[in-house]
Amino acid sequence: GQNIDQPTEMTATEGAIVQINCTYQTSGFNGLFWYQQHAGEAPTFLSYNVLDGLEEKGRFSSFLSRSKGYSYLLLKELQMKDSASYLCAVAVTGGGNKLTFGTGTQLKVEL
Amino acid sequence: DAMVIQNPRYQVTQFGKPVTLSCSQTLNHNVMYWYQQKSSQAPKLLFHYYDKDFNNEADTPDNFQSRRPNTSFCFLDIRSPGLGDAAMYLCATSNAGANVLTFGAGSRLTVL
Repeated sequence: GQNIDQPTEMTATEGAIVQINCTYQTSGFNGLFWYQQHAGEAPTFLSYNVLDGLEEKGRFSSFLSRSKGYSYLLLKELQMKDSASYLCAVAVTGGGNKLTFGTGTQLKVEL
Repeated sequence: DAMVIQNPRYQVTQFGKPVTLSCSQTLNHNVMYWYQQKSSQAPKLLFHYYDKDFNNEADTPDNFQSRRPNTSFCFLDIRSPGLGDAAMYLCATSNAGANVLTFGAGSRLTVL
């Protein structure tokens, strides 16, 4: 099976930088995903890492260390609209296209 | 715009009264998934279709069934909803070999 851990809640200030961590334990790792989910809405894809290192996409960056079973999502220049749940998800080989999700980190951006 | 559409967005049913949720896609993806998400919990995969091949998760209750009559449509049938089945049901699609899932807006089920 797979085990994915991420903090339940985080609070940050508008304009600041926040880092959301995710640790995972799995066999046959085949990629890590970050999704954003606003309350009552569908998850939307943010980033995908399969190799170690940093992937940057505008204000959002995602980092992966496979040896440590660790990833983080970095959000820069926070805006109020970034208040949402951020879901870490892991794909495994042989699992087809199935993703296993963490419970999500609820980020609250304050003035 | 190509997208994944779920209907209804909100469904209220009585305990034990069957419910069907629908999902349609214009992305021409060959994989379709149904996830269940309860409040403050992770989305949990119920089953998925790879083309016409149905793949059930081992811990999905028999109360949950699915149909995929064609590439574009997939249905989730809950035969006898219990109070514990109240949740958001998310449909998602992807292409084979690509792990990026595109989600619909979800159907929120309330069981009275």
